[in-house]
Amino acid sequence: NAGVTQTPKFRILKIGQSMTLQCAQDMNHNYMYWYRQDPGMGLKLIYYSVGAGITDKGEVPNGYNVSRSTTEDFPLRLELAAPSQTSVYFCASSTRAREGAFFGQGTRLTVV
Amino acid sequence: GIQVEQSPPDLILQEGANSTLRCNFSDSVNNLQWFHQNPWGQLINLFYIPSGTKQNGRLSATTVATERYSLLYISSSQTTDSGVYFCAAMTNFGNEKLTFGTGTRLTIIP
Repeated sequence: NAGVTQTPKFRILKIGQSMTLQCAQDMNHNYMYWYRQDPGMGLKLIYYSVGAGITDKGEVPNGYNVSRSTTEDFPLRLELAAPSQTSVYFCASSTRAREGAFFGQGTRLTVV
Repeated sequence: GIQVEQSPPDLILQEGANSTLRCNFSDSVNNLQWFHQNPWGQLINLFYIPSGTKQNGRLSATTVATERYSLLYISSSQTTDSGVYFCAAMTNFGNEKLTFGTGTRLTIIP
């Protein structure tokens, strides 16, 4: 039982490049979330999903896209990377909204 | 959306001391969680506690939903308790967004 797995752990992108951050969970959780954490700050919600085929915007969705074709996977796509997207990205999942969430190890992204 | 505020922002204690961390939220909640982010950045769920009191070893938490606050108690602090403590809340009003506070950075000195 791996929990929530994020790949890659580290990545350096050049301005204007694109990439996909992968997130997979093996706990059969319906709810999945993407957050970003800037240095010394709290977590800001980018996108979330309450089940396969259903996604919705969080506080800071601009510059990102998501899809949820299966219960297990919730990839986050960055198009046209900008220095402002330099951050640590966390994926989380829970059984339903009203229970505790489990987090992945995070992806540290630097855009130069 | 819901506002989540935590206090104090920073706390430095000697090993063995007790501490109380506070989380205030602006709306009625159906979901309130406490997390510990260790110095390596890993986020661990400590408590799911939308109301009432829970205890787990040296840690306990109390949420008074009617007064819109939650408290996390750490007793007999150890150096491994260092890190940032976050609370996160979700309102009763429809959407499923889990909103985080800005955290309390706890440093335990040996």
